[in-house]
Amino acid sequence: DSGVTQTPKHLITATGQRVTLRCSPRSGDLSVYWYQQSLDQGLQFLIQYYNGEERAKGNILERFSAQQFPDLHSELNLSSLELGDSALYFCASSKQGNTEAFFGQGTRLTVV
Amino acid sequence: EDKVVQSPLSLVVHEGDTVTLNCSYEVTNFRSLLWYKQEKKAPTFLFMLTSSGIEKKSGRLSSILDKKELSSILNITATQTGDSAIYLCAVEALNTGNQFYFGTGTSLTVIP
Repeated sequence: DSGVTQTPKHLITATGQRVTLRCSPRSGDLSVYWYQQSLDQGLQFLIQYYNGEERAKGNILERFSAQQFPDLHSELNLSSLELGDSALYFCASSKQGNTEAFFGQGTRLTVV
Repeated sequence: EDKVVQSPLSLVVHEGDTVTLNCSYEVTNFRSLLWYKQEKKAPTFLFMLTSSGIEKKSGRLSSILDKKELSSILNITATQTGDSAIYLCAVEALNTGNQFYFGTGTSLTVIP
């Protein structure tokens, strides 16, 4: 158990809908990272938050947004969902100045 | 364009064999290279290599970073069936924040 908690574990939703994925980082970790893993593209970095502020942005679509709350948990919002958004979404966390990131178990999103 | 390439894509070996996995990268503002093992769900951290720590070893696993060749190898000696997994290489770029680029992984299958 990495200490990073993601909910829900599985999510099935229809195209055009909006979902929210939640991540609780390890105790004491200030950085949260979101990744998307699909079969054909491997693991893609989406976005990083550090202590509530956006720190780095990767290949994140405009339909997606994220935030990190004062208690350091983070949410990834996916809207206007398309079939191609079906993937495993990982959250990872790390301490300040330490780039060793620990991954949650992921949320499997299926868009039908 | 920043990218990380892993080879081979897939590998099948017998128990007891030694394997070498490769990772090459083209990333500006390189900060570190990380190896992860992904079995069923969440990637688990193996090693982090930086300019000040270019060789790491843990049991049967070892890794070397070649900053001149912009590459790294992950060696696994005396492989066991439990080593079967996807091995991911990630490179951290220090741009605005810490951005991670992942390779597509090497799938290792160890057969008895």
